[in-house]
Amino acid sequence: NAGVTQTPKFQVLKTGQSMTLQCAQDMNHNSMYWYRQDPGMGLRLIYYSASEGTTDKGEVPNGYNVSRLNKREFSLRLESAAPSQTSVYFCASSALQGVKAYEQYFGPGTRLTVT
Amino acid sequence: AQSVTQLGSHVSVSEGALVLLRCNYSSSVPPYLFWYVQYPNQGLQLLLKYTSAATLVKGINGFEAEFKKSETSFHLTKPSAHMSDAAEYFCAVYDKIIFGKGTRLHILP
Repeated sequence: NAGVTQTPKFQVLKTGQSMTLQCAQDMNHNSMYWYRQDPGMGLRLIYYSASEGTTDKGEVPNGYNVSRLNKREFSLRLESAAPSQTSVYFCASSALQGVKAYEQYFGPGTRLTVT
Repeated sequence: AQSVTQLGSHVSVSEGALVLLRCNYSSSVPPYLFWYVQYPNQGLQLLLKYTSAATLVKGINGFEAEFKKSETSFHLTKPSAHMSDAAEYFCAVYDKIIFGKGTRLHILP
C-alpha cells in the first residue's frame, strides 16, 4: 500500500497563475483533508471531505477550491496564486468508523512557492 | 470555540532524560485527542489517540499521554529521551479539526 500520495512534491508559481494539487489514498478511507503548514502556525485546515460527495470549509479556505473526485482522490486548486499562499501543503485521510476512526494518515507534502 | 494550546515552541532535554510536552484544550471535552510527530521534510505520523476508554494512553516509540479533565490537559511524556526523538510534535483535537502550533523537541547529547 502506498498510503497517501501527493503530487507534485515541489512547485514554483508566479503570482496569478493557477494550479491543482493532487492527492490520492489507497486505504479505503471515507474522509480526506487538506492542510497548510507555515512556520510557527502549526497545521491549519483548508478544506475537508467527510465522505465522498461532500466538502466543507476549514479554518483558512479563502483562495482555494477542492474537488472530491471519487473516494480515493481529493484535489486542491489555487485559481490565482498569491505570495501569501507560499506554504507546505499536506493531504490526509482517515476512517470514519472502527478502532482507527479519525486517525489521520498524511502524505509527504507539496512545497509551494509563489513569487 | 474549541482550541488547543501547546506550551513551549521549543523544548530541549538531555539524552536519557524525561520528555514532557504540554498540551491543553479548551473547556469542552473533545471526543478525540491526538499526538502526532513530524520528522524533517516528512508528513505527520500518529503517536497516540485518546478516546475516553482510558485516561492513560500508550503510543508508539515509548511515548504515552495522560488525559486530565480537571486540568483540561493531555501532556505527552517519555521516560528516557533518545536522539531519534528529535522532531516536531503536534497535539490535535477532533471535534472541530484543530492542531496546536507544535513543539520542536531538541535532544542534547
